[in-house]
Amino acid sequence: QQQVKQSPQSLIVQKGGISIINCAYENTAFDYFPWYQQFPGKGPALLIAIRPDVSEKKEGRFTISFNKSAKQFSLHIMDSQPGDSATYFCAARYYNQGGKLIFGQGTELSVKP
Amino acid sequence: EPEVTQTPSHQVTQMGQEVILRCVPISNHLYFYWYRQILGQKVEFLVSFYNNEISEKSEIFDDQFSVERPDGSNFTLKIRSTKLEDSAMYFCASRRGSAADTQYFGPGTRLTVL
Repeated sequence: QQQVKQSPQSLIVQKGGISIINCAYENTAFDYFPWYQQFPGKGPALLIAIRPDVSEKKEGRFTISFNKSAKQFSLHIMDSQPGDSATYFCAARYYNQGGKLIFGQGTELSVKP
Repeated sequence: EPEVTQTPSHQVTQMGQEVILRCVPISNHLYFYWYRQILGQKVEFLVSFYNNEISEKSEIFDDQFSVERPDGSNFTLKIRSTKLEDSAMYFCASRRGSAADTQYFGPGTRLTVL
């Protein structure tokens, strides 16, 4: 019930293409869904986040789509660039448990020039 | 821009030894966290800390682990008797307040237990 399932594990996209990463959860106690970007040797950095009362959020080239009934959410990276090559983690937060984040397994994105 | 800092960046220790990992959260933040990431795996929650006490801890956070905020700036994670399986990247994170959503992560400490 605490799991957040993320797919695919790895993704190769051509420059200018769309990268799509999917996550699914089971626990309805989650109240906030961030996406983090991690470069090798660095800590996760918040990319974009959404609350479950919103179905879509867009920030620049990054969009989160959220389907509350299906308990699924996804990250879309438009016009993918080689600099976007990183590992992406979705996460879900338990508000009433100290705000802990439960992370997905991660997706290693490689954008080819 | 304020950031979370962690020291050391890499710690090598012998099995059974005690280690202390240090973090300086963002100065006006009130909620503090430790996470770990075993190489190639997902980030896992260890513990959350607020108002000088643990608010939540995971199954991983057993009696060998402890956290402390010894002064107004530092937040430490102590592992009393390290095991080989404690080898991981340890991340500290902080959050401004209950109404704030974002957890800001530090760069991590790589712990290697030999």
